[in-house]
Amino acid sequence: DSGVTQTPKHLITATGQRVTLRCSPRSGDLSVYWYQQSLDQGLQFLIHYYNGEERAKGNILERFSAQQFPDLHSELNLSSLELGDSALYFCASSVDLLAVPYEQYFGPGTRLTVT
Amino acid sequence: AQSVTQLDSQVPVFEEAPVELRCNYSSSVSVYLFWYVQYPNQGLQLLLKYLSGSTLVKGINGFEAEFNKSQTSFHLRKPSVHISDTAEYFCAVTPRGSARQLTFGSGTQLTVLP
Repeated sequence: DSGVTQTPKHLITATGQRVTLRCSPRSGDLSVYWYQQSLDQGLQFLIHYYNGEERAKGNILERFSAQQFPDLHSELNLSSLELGDSALYFCASSVDLLAVPYEQYFGPGTRLTVT
Repeated sequence: AQSVTQLDSQVPVFEEAPVELRCNYSSSVSVYLFWYVQYPNQGLQLLLKYLSGSTLVKGINGFEAEFNKSQTSFHLRKPSVHISDTAEYFCAVTPRGSARQLTFGSGTQLTVLP
């Protein structure tokens, strides 16, 4: 158990819908990262938040957005869903102090199926 | 930008045999290197990491990796595998500096056969 929790574990929804994935980082970790794992694209970085502020964006679609709340949990919002958005979405957290890239601890993921 | 190439998508090996999973990277800046393992229906777990110093890095579960700067490689090895090592293994890099996100390779499925 990494200490990172993600809910829900599975999500099945229809095209055009909107969903919210939730992540609670390990106690004390200030950074939250979101990754998407799909068969055709592999594991891709989406977005990074540090202590409530967006720090970096990767291959995140405009239909997707995220935020990190004062209690440090994070939500990834996916809207206007398409079949191709079906994937495993991972959240990872790290202490992320300056100068050293501390280990990222991964949650168990949310499997999104768009039908 | 960085990229990671895992040369073998699938590696079958018999139990108690040695294994090497290959990883090459490309980057215009210096990087930190990682190997993660993903067991079925689970998240990723860090096996080992190279930040600096000795180029031979030891990790959990008897795995080790060697950083070779001239060949831009970071191959993962285990002298004797067990059935329980069956999993997908990902090599990843992150640039030294302010960026923290990981760039992953496409993964290598290690299957240990009895």
